[in-house]
Amino acid sequence: QVQLQESGPGLVKPSQTLSLTCTVSGGSISSGGYYWSWIRQHPGKGLEWIGYIYYSGSTYYNPSLKSRVTISVDTSKNQFSLKLSSVTAADTAVYYCARGASNFDYWGQGTLVTVSS
Amino acid sequence: QSVLTQPPSVSAAPGQKVTISCSGSSSNIGNNYVSWYQQLPGTAPKLLIYDNNKRPSGIPDRFSGSKSGTSATLGITGLQTGDEADYYCGTWDSSLSSWVFGGGTKLTVL
Repeated sequence: QVQLQESGPGLVKPSQTLSLTCTVSGGSISSGGYYWSWIRQHPGKGLEWIGYIYYSGSTYYNPSLKSRVTISVDTSKNQFSLKLSSVTAADTAVYYCARGASNFDYWGQGTLVTVSS
Repeated sequence: QSVLTQPPSVSAAPGQKVTISCSGSSSNIGNNYVSWYQQLPGTAPKLLIYDNNKRPSGIPDRFSGSKSGTSATLGITGLQTGDEADYYCGTWDSSLSSWVFGGGTKLTVL
């Protein structure tokens, strides 16, 4: 059973960079066949796809966030990461990591990141 | 404003059937597979339906999906109080080059 777990600071100051890591267990990122995604949910709102990465490092980002997003992968640690730069209060959300690109079949529990000074 | 349009809420009695619609366009639903997600209160979304009408292992056949043209529908039969949740549709949008989700539908089982 694949499991995903997000980790990272729950509070980030405005203009700084939000950094989160997703640790995958029960399956290897480097075995291929799957993309690994980040999705967020603003408080009380719907889901917003941020982007995804393949084990090779190939990435695809939401055009509306592309200028501020970097997703990377560390196959040796079976982890992938999200960096979102120049954050504002509008980036306050629950951030989920998930497996997939054509659909998202495994999700982490989510982590709330608040942007506030 | 979501690219995919869902009704904000639906409700039905236990044991009844309910359908949730998801309306899009030729750049998303019309030419790509649709998936559906169930989000119970305080939890992460869970995949219910993929590739328009397929159920992952462990999802009961009370849940079904269909697609026609630029719209998709999630059906739930034999409603249970445990089905109370938010439901989201999602698909790739070829014009936006982005994954898009519906705004979500809150299901109340009266």
